[in-house]
Amino acid sequence: DTGVSQDPRHKITKRGQNVTFRCDPISEHNRLYWYRQTLGQGPEFLTYFQNEAQLEKSRLLSDRFSAERPKGSFSTLEIQRTEQGDSAMYLCASSYLNQPQHFGDGTRLSIL
Amino acid sequence: DQQVKQNSPSLSVQEGRISILNCDYTNSMFDYFLWYKKYPAEGPTFLISISSIKDKNEDGRFTVFLNKSAKHLSLHIVPSQPGDSAVYFCAAMNNFNKFYFGSGTKLNVKP
Repeated sequence: DTGVSQDPRHKITKRGQNVTFRCDPISEHNRLYWYRQTLGQGPEFLTYFQNEAQLEKSRLLSDRFSAERPKGSFSTLEIQRTEQGDSAMYLCASSYLNQPQHFGDGTRLSIL
Repeated sequence: DQQVKQNSPSLSVQEGRISILNCDYTNSMFDYFLWYKKYPAEGPTFLISISSIKDKNEDGRFTVFLNKSAKHLSLHIVPSQPGDSAVYFCAAMNNFNKFYFGSGTKLNVKP
């Protein structure tokens, strides 16, 4: 399977804990996006990388959130001191430049 | 501030008939529009796109129409099949490479 891979699929954690998600994009794609999706809503843009450079961050991405793509391949999204409102599906997508994005199946985060 | 809106949360259509899903946007700087399809427990899958220089793009049973003056796009599926039952998201991109998604329309195609 050469699609976008996200790990883990589900994460349950207590409020205040830190969590980290991983995304492996399609290998030839140079852009990688992170989105957050809550029930009944579409994906909301969080941030994107072109190669290893983080080119834009949404205002939704508070200082508790950080994303990296150190070698321009896989990416990680870390949430520190999780809060109830962080419960959502976190989606990763990749593309080659402005071509349509290919999405992974997401990581569902539940905060107890 | 939702810049892409899908005002119909759900749509039910009989198999073989046409499904029309609608999407409105507010930002005139959007220059590329896409439709994605999403099944439960899966990520969205790209379906069809259209550039702002066109008003129609067709791919098999799927046609997207763009009306720039009305800031409106629609997705037509004909004939509709039960396997088309899913949530459909429209998305728009500006020249800063940010994608904005609508809230989705759940399509149910009845056999």
